[in-house]
Amino acid sequence: AQKITQTQPGMFVQEKEAVTLDCTYDTSDQSYGLFWYKQPSSGEMIFLIYQGSYDEQNATEGRYSLNFQKARKSANLVISASQLGDSAMYFCAMRPNSGGSNYKLTFGKGTLLTVNP
Amino acid sequence: DAGVIQSPRHEVTEMGQEVTLRCKPISGHNSLFWYRQTMMRGLELLIYFNNNVPIDDSGMPEDRFSAKMPNASFSTLKIQPSEPRDSAVYFCASSRGQGRSDTQYFGPGTRLTVL
Repeated sequence: AQKITQTQPGMFVQEKEAVTLDCTYDTSDQSYGLFWYKQPSSGEMIFLIYQGSYDEQNATEGRYSLNFQKARKSANLVISASQLGDSAMYFCAMRPNSGGSNYKLTFGKGTLLTVNP
Repeated sequence: DAGVIQSPRHEVTEMGQEVTLRCKPISGHNSLFWYRQTMMRGLELLIYFNNNVPIDDSGMPEDRFSAKMPNASFSTLKIQPSEPRDSAVYFCASSRGQGRSDTQYFGPGTRLTVL
């Protein structure tokens, strides 16, 4: 079974600064994918970034990057140059790449990020 | 490209009434998922379809819930009869259903309130 832990219920950051949202995971699978989603107050779930467990480089997508440390089982999301529109709930999730549950995303409880002007 | 489309966006109904939520997945996606999100339980997978066939419905709460996918471009989630504890946001998501980087894309959700 997979487990995702997001230890920061809430985070605050000043506009234009960088922020790191923590995510640790527990799995016995050797091959898996890690995902981050953003949920603004309007409610939709927006896919941000993906990291494969065998990817040698950390994933980046614009202002989003993933600090992936496989040995520590952590996949922290880094948002650079924060904007007011980044204020939202952020969810970390993982999915095994093999086995009968290779479609199933396991989500963390989320971190509420507030960007202050 | 159009994303996942859900309707209605908001639904308010009375206990005992039938509720039908609708979803149109992204064209070309073979996998479709229904999730429920509540403060207490977070995001829960209700049911997973692959190529229009239900593969995993172990998350469906009880017999009051049913889901169908009559074709590749349409799915419904029905609650009959509805109860106040069904109040939640219901998301539909779709993915290509293949490859290690297969990503689920979510619709905007339906906020259901059962009075």
